Parts: sequence; C-alpha cells; structure tokens
Amino acid sequence: DAKTTQPPSMDCAEGRAANLPCNHSTISGNEYVYWYRQIHSQGPQYIIHGLKNNETNEMASLIITEDRKSSTLILPHATLRDTAVYYCIVRPVNDYKLSFGAGTTVTVRA
Amino acid sequence: GAVVSQHPSRVICKSGTSVKIECRSLDFQATTMFWYRQFPKKSLMLMATSNEGSKATYEQGVEKDKFLINHASLTLSTLTVTSAHPEDSSFYICSARGVSLGLAGAYEQYFGPGTRLTVT
Repeated sequence: DAKTTQPPSMDCAEGRAANLPCNHSTISGNEYVYWYRQIHSQGPQYIIHGLKNNETNEMASLIITEDRKSSTLILPHATLRDTAVYYCIVRPVNDYKLSFGAGTTVTVRA
Repeated sequence: GAVVSQHPSRVICKSGTSVKIECRSLDFQATTMFWYRQFPKKSLMLMATSNEGSKATYEQGVEKDKFLINHASLTLSTLTVTSAHPEDSSFYICSARGVSLGLAGAYEQYFGPGTRLTVT
C-alpha cells in the first residue's frame, strides 16, 4: 500500500538544480515527509525531513505544498556524486519504521 | 557523527551454514535498530525492529527462527541467518535510531553500508 508516488527516473545536468517531485495525497496531519537516497551498493543516506514547513539543510531543500499532498526535494547544484535512487517516505510521528517504495533513480550527467 | 558500521561487508557461505552480521553505532547510542534486506534492483524491505535488551519484532512473513536478532547493547545488534540457502542471498542493511545526537536530524535512522550475503 504505497503512500507516496514518485517518477521512476529522471536525468539532470551537472551544476543545475535538480527538482524531485513526490506525491503523498493521503498524508495525515501527524505524518512526516522524509527523503533518503541510496547510492549504488551502499546503505541509504538521510537527506531531510519536514512536517508542514519548508526545510533546508546543507544537502537540500524540501518544499511541501500548503495542502501537504505533495512535496519537492531540491538539490541546488547537482554533482555527479548525487547520482542515486531517491526515496520519498511518509512516516507517522510516533512510529520510526520506514517503508521504502521504488524511489526515483536520478542520473546526473556531465 | 551518526556513523553506523556493518561487518562483514560481504560474505560467501555454503548452503546449510549460519552466518552472523554485526551492526554497530560508532558514535551514538542506539535504542532501536532495524534490519532490512534488499534484492537486486528492488527496494529495501524491513525485516525486523530490535530494541536494546528486548526481543525483536519481526515483520509479517519474516521467519524469526531463521533470522535471529540480538541487540545486547546500545551500540551493537547482530543478525544471524541460520541454515542459509541460496534464496537468502541478498544485501542486508541495518539502521540505528539515536537517543540524541545534538544535531539537525537527531533521532533519525542512520544506515549502515550493508552486507552482501551470497549463499552457494
């Protein structure tokens, strides 16, 4: 029972911003939006998370729509090392289990 | 900070033998650790949740007698695959949830690098 929908793949140019969309139309008020990424043959890496407000850290920005039904992860200046599978995950506030979907395979091209 | 290690990084074992995988939180105490497995070109599937000092909670369809989990300390959890068979060959990944890191992203799950198990 997928809670999020992401495009299966996307390409982006090195040095440009990468905007990764995620649809979570059934999200409830006590669920976070999380983003992780997994570089080939490695464990997932935490990127960012948010509840209602937009968030920014050293890796990325997370823009959540006002109705919270979708969000966008922004990698401001994509590099070749950002090539990975990016997972958008909805997680209840009081349950730390993460349910991974298929994610978006992002390929950054020189 | 928030480093999780796994050992070994890859292991090959014969069918019928058991293999143990260690997961350690190196710079924080982990009250909860999670074990996942990932088949080629597939997403991560949660196998079980382990809390320090108590029995692990297994996801539906995961055999607890086959995948033994021990979380004896706040920095170490082990997964033992007993009587391994070729269909158990997979990428096993652990994650740890910290008590407090004093950092942005505190209390989040941090993942180990994974262990590639091949059963011949």
